[in-house]
Amino acid sequence: KNQVEQSPQSLIILEGKNCTLQCNYTVSPFSNLRWYKQDTGRGPVSLTIMTFSENTKSNGRYTATLDADTKQSSLHITASQLSDSASYICVVRGNNRLAFGKGNQVVVIP
Amino acid sequence: DVKVTQSSRYLVKRTGEKVFLECVQDMDHENMFWYRQDPGLGLRLIYFSYDVKMKEKGDIPEGYSVSREKKERFSLILESASTNQTSMYLCASSYPDRGGREQYFGPGTRLTVT
Repeated sequence: KNQVEQSPQSLIILEGKNCTLQCNYTVSPFSNLRWYKQDTGRGPVSLTIMTFSENTKSNGRYTATLDADTKQSSLHITASQLSDSASYICVVRGNNRLAFGKGNQVVVIP
Repeated sequence: DVKVTQSSRYLVKRTGEKVFLECVQDMDHENMFWYRQDPGLGLRLIYFSYDVKMKEKGDIPEGYSVSREKKERFSLILESASTNQTSMYLCASSYPDRGGREQYFGPGTRLTVT
């Protein structure tokens, strides 16, 4: 069973709208959680990292939250733009290893 | 600005051929990684290296080998390519701290084995 589950697998949103992506994990012990953005045809790029003591962290229009008790993280995109169309990958570190989610595919349409 | 480059963006090879995928990083990173990415499966670690001439198996090393003769260069080798190795291959590098640091990814090589 995958240790990192992301939902929804894919979604389509209208430009200007908000959306929230979910990441649930079972990795233990937990070290940190990173959200990456992967544009089509490119490698992933880190958006934000969350450690155990952090609940919320923002990077521009991207806001990540972490609930270490329930082992859940979310990535909220505010006022989406066409350039937000990408795959968003949740990566959890624990036991000196990384566990990758399969990604949330986001398509923003005008 | 960190730059990780991969030798080819697209590659088509025949079954049984020996394939070399090259990755070069310019940030003096100790750690380098090779992943493959397939639809519905996400990123899977093939091999990684924490130092020159040092390598460790990842989750799916079968059918692959690696070489790290210089700090900035990490090569992935498919000794005898098979169709199930058709995939997107991503190289990454990072500073030490065994997986905890941000990984910087290359643009990927889309390999097709026919």
